[in-house]
Formats: sequence, structure tokens, C-alpha cells
Amino acid sequence: GENVEQHPSTLSVQEGDSAVIKCTYSDSASNYFPWYKQELGKRPQLIIDIRSNVGEKKDQRIAVTLNKTAKHFSLHITETQPEDSAVYFCAATISNYGGATNKLIFGTGTLLAVQP
Amino acid sequence: DTEVTQTPKHLVMGMTNKKSLKCEQHMGHRAMYWYKQKAKKPPELMFVYSYEKLSINESVPSRFSPECPNSSLLNLHLHALQPEDSALYLCASSQDPHQPQHFGDGTRLSIL
Repeated sequence: GENVEQHPSTLSVQEGDSAVIKCTYSDSASNYFPWYKQELGKRPQLIIDIRSNVGEKKDQRIAVTLNKTAKHFSLHITETQPEDSAVYFCAATISNYGGATNKLIFGTGTLLAVQP
Repeated sequence: DTEVTQTPKHLVMGMTNKKSLKCEQHMGHRAMYWYKQKAKKPPELMFVYSYEKLSINESVPSRFSPECPNSSLLNLHLHALQPEDSALYLCASSQDPHQPQHFGDGTRLSIL
């Protein structure tokens, strides 16, 4: 079935360094790719997303890139801060019911630790 | 700001109990979702309601019964749950089924 692979599972960086998390999806019809940040005991929070007609999107220190040919997309966080520490999930849509409803498939998550 | 409200925040119940989880949004969103999340795992989709009609049921056991009384409310009725059903239950909503999903804070459910 459809799946989303995410790497690495854990990532430790020094404050101020960059962090990169990579995901690969299997469904060539996937057309929407959100990233969620989940702090311990809290809800997943949408931080950035990208659609398949765009190759890159940036929002301040966060950027996402998409390579449709390779079915890869990545999250880039620059100038990391301790408050960036959390679990990050990528996701990709698959279409059901002739495209009437999209379903999100989540990656397995990356635990990011930013050391002060 | 987007806001999805879930009640209760915590629930402890026995295997013979009947309880309900509630989710509410007043953003005019027409798609609502139930997810189950186990510790250190990603959210897993259970149900999708689109324009108040059930559009996806991910082969969830019948001891979980969703209900969408109106466009702002989503319930999850629980009956005869098993210990392995202990998890964080997340509700999400989106403007329509193709728009970004925004999550509530979840209900942490423990089955004794």
C-alpha cells in the first residue's frame, strides 16, 4: 500500500546550525505535502506545506523542497533554536473515491533536539 | 487563529463502559477527521467526514462509532473498548477535504 518514509528518526544539532529532514512517498498521485511539529504532550501543529505544482516554499527559517520525479520532499530549518526541539512529521495525500476525498499518510517522525 | 476544541482532555474508562469524545470547530470547516495516536508514533486516520457525510472509514472496529450531528460537531462514541485502544485521540478539521488539516489538543484515553 501507499507509505511515506522519513529519515532520520532522531537528529541532534547545535543551536544556530541547520537541520534537514527527508521524506519519500510512494503514490505518484500525491499532490499535497504538509509538515507538522508536535511538542511533547501537545497537538500536531502545521508549520509549512507545499503542493505538487511548486518546487520550493519558504517561511522565515523554515523551507520545504519537493522533487516530484524522485518522490522526495524535505524540511529545512535554519538557525535552529532550542524551541525548535520537537517531533516533526511529514505527510502526503493519497486520493480516495475518485479524488473526492484526500487522505493524509504520515511519516514515522523525526525527534529533533537542538542543544543550547 | 484556527481552533479545534476537544473534550474531555483525559478519560479513564473500564472495558464495559460507554463514553463519547467530542470535537467542535466554528471556523466553517466542512471536513472533520478522527485520528488515533500511540506514543512515539504518527497519527493514524480513523474516520473522515466530508460535508457531514462519512467519506472514509479506515476499517475501524465497530466499538468505535463516529457521528457528525452538524457541520461544527464531531463525536466518537466508545463502547466495550480494549486495553490496546488506550491512546491519544485527535480531531482535525479543514476547510474542505483538499485543504490543510488543523488538529485539536486531543483526548488522552486510558482503558482499564
